[in-house]
This record gives sequence, structure tokens and C-alpha cells, in this order.
Amino acid sequence: ETGVTQSPTHLIKTRGQQVTLRCSSQSGHNTVSWYQQALGQGPQFIFQYYREEENGRGNFPPRFSGLQFPNYSSELNVNALELDDSALYLCASSRSGNTDTQYFGPGTRLTVL
Amino acid sequence: QQQVKQSPQSLIVQKGGISIINCAYENTAFDYFPWYQQFPGKGPALLIAIRPDVSEKKEGRFTISFNKSAKQFSLHIMDSQPGDSATYFCAAMAGSNYKLTFGKGTLLTVNP
Repeated sequence: ETGVTQSPTHLIKTRGQQVTLRCSSQSGHNTVSWYQQALGQGPQFIFQYYREEENGRGNFPPRFSGLQFPNYSSELNVNALELDDSALYLCASSRSGNTDTQYFGPGTRLTVL
Repeated sequence: QQQVKQSPQSLIVQKGGISIINCAYENTAFDYFPWYQQFPGKGPALLIAIRPDVSEKKEGRFTISFNKSAKQFSLHIMDSQPGDSATYFCAAMAGSNYKLTFGKGTLLTVNP
């Protein structure tokens, strides 16, 4: 059984650019949640995808968007990057009907210059 | 608005000692309370979790104590080891709300 994987590991962008982060869910999991973790803080919920539809959203602007594919993998897209978007972006997967148990990937460290 | 308050911010314990981390919540709809362990450069790993129908849950050296009336829960690490040195996060979720609300974390250092 493979765990949650994310790519890339690290990414450096400049302000105003766009970025796409990728996540492969754990085997048997069909729900993916994305979190932003600023340095020294706890993760903050961005949104969740279930059956290719957004299933809930946190307090993030529309320039944060996502996709889920038929194989349950997911993308997080951020447009018009701002310096404050620098953070560790975490993907978590879970089974439908048991969305309380979320398993996290290693994260993508995004630095915006 | 911080819905889950975690303390202390940092904790230093000697090897073999007991580490205690506390969390308090405001939202009475919360009904699932996990603890995550995070090492530098890694994602959070689920350690142990509890629901409000029990007051305590133990898994190996890790115990969660839950006080529903006080809206507080805590993590106890018995016989703390240097390998336990990490950041610990408490979290909470309400029903099928799907989102985890995290505390700000506690940096635990276990000295040999």
C-alpha cells in the first residue's frame, strides 16, 4: 500500500506567477484535502475534493483552485502568487465515509520571491 | 479566530519523563480530536485520536485524556525518548465537516 505522495518537493517562484502542485492519494482513498502550513504554524484547510468535485472550502481567495482526477489524484493551483503564499502545502487523503482519518503527504515547500 | 488553542508552545523533557501537551476548543460541534506528530521537512503523521464518548484512549506510550465539560483534551507521552523530539499538533473536526482545525503546535525536545 503506497502512501500519499506530492510533487515537487520544493519550488521557487516570483510574485505574480502561477504554480501547480500535485498529489497522489493513498491507495483506496478517494478524498483529497489541501492545507497550507506557514512557518511555525499549524496547517490551515484550503479545500477538499471528493469524486472530482470541491466538497468544502476554507478561508482562501479564489486564486487558490484545485482539481481531482478520475484516479483520485489532485492538483492545487495558485494564481497571482503573493509573498505570503510562501508555505508548506500539504495534501491529505481519506476514505469516503471516514473523512475524519486524514493521512498527510510530505508536502511541497513553496517559496515566493 | 483561533478555535483550537494549544499549549505550551515549546517543551523540554528529560529522557524517561512524561510530556504533557494541552489543547482547548470552543466549538461544541467538534466530535473528533486527533493528534499529529511532525518531524522537520515532513508532513504530519497521525499519532492517536479520540471521540467525546470516551474520556481516555491509550496506544502504547501515548494517551489522550478528554474532558468534554471543560472542552479540553491533552496528550501524554510516557517514558519520553529523544526520538519523540518533534512538533505535535492537536486538531479537531466537526461531524462530516471534513476540515481539520489545528492548534499552533508544540515543539517537544527530549534530552538524552
